Amino acid sequence: TQTVSQSDAHVTVFEGDSVELRCNYSYGGSIYLSWYIQHHGHGLQFLLKYYSGNPVVQGVNGFEAEFSKSDSSFHLRKASVHWSDSAVYFCAVRSANTGANTGKLTFGHGTILRVHP
Amino acid sequence: DTTVKQNPRYKLARVGKPVNLICSQTMNHDTMYWYQKKPNQAPKLLLFYYDKILNREADTFEKFQSSRPNNSFCSLYIGSAGLEYSAMYLCASSSGDWGCEQYFGPGTRLTVL
Repeated sequence: TQTVSQSDAHVTVFEGDSVELRCNYSYGGSIYLSWYIQHHGHGLQFLLKYYSGNPVVQGVNGFEAEFSKSDSSFHLRKASVHWSDSAVYFCAVRSANTGANTGKLTFGHGTILRVHP
Repeated sequence: DTTVKQNPRYKLARVGKPVNLICSQTMNHDTMYWYQKKPNQAPKLLLFYYDKILNREADTFEKFQSSRPNNSFCSLYIGSAGLEYSAMYLCASSSGDWGCEQYFGPGTRLTVL
């Protein structure tokens, strides 16, 4: 069983600040990790994913995430946030040990990011 | 077009009555999912179709039904709504890539009274 923990329910920053949203997971095998963003009134939108290779992956709109096997983490970062980045961010994991038609995404509870102008 | 559409956006239902939610996508994705999302909780997978094969989660097996008459369309059916079914229902689709990159619809907010 895989689990996902997003330790911060709310993060508040000012425009232009850097931000890191934390995600920790527990699973013994190979996994896929991803981040999604949900703006108010909209569906979840895929940001980025990691499976192997370079532990730092780039996503849309200047977001990046870094995988750490030793810390069991996949934190999301952005160097300079804009007010439009205010949204809910979800971390998700998927086991890589099941077939493409049998696995599922397990989501964290989400982190609400508020960016003040 | 990378849009997943859901109808209706808002649904009011009475306890004990059936509910049918609709989802469609035109991306020719082989997999379609239904999630339930309650405030301050993670989206919870209810079931998914891979092509014509339905996979339902063990803890929601008897509560939700679904049909996928063609590749583009998928419905979620609740036979007898209870108060605990009040939630946002999210539909998503994906193709290949082991389902890591899913495209979500805007959701249907179901309120059961």
